[in-house]
Amino acid sequence: DIQMTQSPSTLSASVGDRVTITCRASQSISDWLAWYQQKPGKAPKLLIYRASSLESGVPSRFSGSGSGTEFTLTISSLQPDDFATYYCQQYNSYSGTFGQGTKVEI
Amino acid sequence: EVQLVESGGGLVQPGGSLRLSCAASGFTFSRYWMSWVRQAPGKGLEWVVNIKEDGSEKYFVDSVKGRFTISRDNAKNSLYLQMDSLRAEDTAVYYCARRARWLQFPDAFDIWGQGTMVTVSS
Repeated sequence: DIQMTQSPSTLSASVGDRVTITCRASQSISDWLAWYQQKPGKAPKLLIYRASSLESGVPSRFSGSGSGTEFTLTISSLQPDDFATYYCQQYNSYSGTFGQGTKVEI
Repeated sequence: EVQLVESGGGLVQPGGSLRLSCAASGFTFSRYWMSWVRQAPGKGLEWVVNIKEDGSEKYFVDSVKGRFTISRDNAKNSLYLQMDSLRAEDTAVYYCARRARWLQFPDAFDIWGQGTMVTVSS
């Protein structure tokens, strides 16, 4: 099974900061990687798919990069609405393993 | 409006059964792979199962194999998760999610329901 490891687990930042979250896969997943944002009590929201494609309606301050086993999510200028938990996920037809999550807090 | 609405959650005793439903609207349900994802209280997301557009392929996480069954009724735009032999560790919010399409492949989980809570406790 493919394991996904995110770092850091918690990130303290301020409005306007550039934030980077890293996700590592235990084996190559090509670019089959997504990033989600989740706020307390809400369903996850898709931000990035296929490692670097921005989901429709998602602000352009969010970007994704990487392929193979190393991936990053970058928020170019953190906004108040961005304080949330972020998950990476490898996906294919037969699985969909999530990372453990990164909480972005003030 | 594209929407997924789960129902069927509740309190069940260990060893018991529960059937979750997910009603889809606003899109052609039969053209999409679908999935269930769960989240235990205070924990992260856990993928549970994928089902192909026509129901011919199903893939489960190891922890629920042999206990959970997934099905779909494309005529009713509905997805189901039958959960048997439930354990305390199955306690979670269960989300149904649509898999976006890319060429002939299921892509990321682009539409999510609001979730339904399942509590397994005596």
